[in-house]
Amino acid sequence: NAGVMQNPRHLVRRRGQEARLRCSPMKGHSHVYWYRQLPEEGLKFMVYLQKENIIDESGMPKERFSAEFPKEGPSILRIQQVVRGDSAAYFCASSPSGQGAGNTIYFGEGSWLTVV
Amino acid sequence: AQSVTQPDIHITVSEGASLELRCNYSYGATPYLFWYVQSPGQGLQLLLKYFSGDTLVQGIKGFEAEFKRSQSSFNLRKPSVHWSDAAEYFCAVGEISSGTYKYIFGTGTRLKVLA
Repeated sequence: NAGVMQNPRHLVRRRGQEARLRCSPMKGHSHVYWYRQLPEEGLKFMVYLQKENIIDESGMPKERFSAEFPKEGPSILRIQQVVRGDSAAYFCASSPSGQGAGNTIYFGEGSWLTVV
Repeated sequence: AQSVTQPDIHITVSEGASLELRCNYSYGATPYLFWYVQSPGQGLQLLLKYFSGDTLVQGIKGFEAEFKRSQSSFNLRKPSVHWSDAAEYFCAVGEISSGTYKYIFGTGTRLKVLA
């Protein structure tokens, strides 16, 4: 019973390049969340997606960041033209249902992005 | 807006000593509260959660937490700390905002355990 799978675990990009982070939710989960953890900080919500829909992107930076969760395949968080401030750990989480407070969401092991 | 405060950034305890990590939240309704642990370079592991009912919640690895509505607190405790408990601990509250459910995390408490 695989958990939330993220890859790559570690990614190094030069300034100006693109970063793509992938997340496969737990089996049976159709709701995906992305969180970002900056050094010495807690996790900050970025975006919440269901299959083929962005439900809440209130935590996403207005520029350069995008996310998708296609009908087939993993969810992808895409960062264009990366800058040093994008260096962080990006965590994906999934849940079987997004509605109804109290649902536990399950986290992946994270993708650590380093921008040099 | 909801918020979660973990007032202790770092805590150091000796192995075998008791532990209490503090968490305070601001939330208008009954909160859904969680504690997660994160080892260096690893993801988050759920220790325990509170949704309703008994205010003393038992979790994995010998941890427990007590929900105190009057104090808006959800402190994590362990009677005897092991060296392997050294990690970062995050308190979180689940909220529904604009019709969607997400977690608000505290900034974490880093636990160091002395041999």
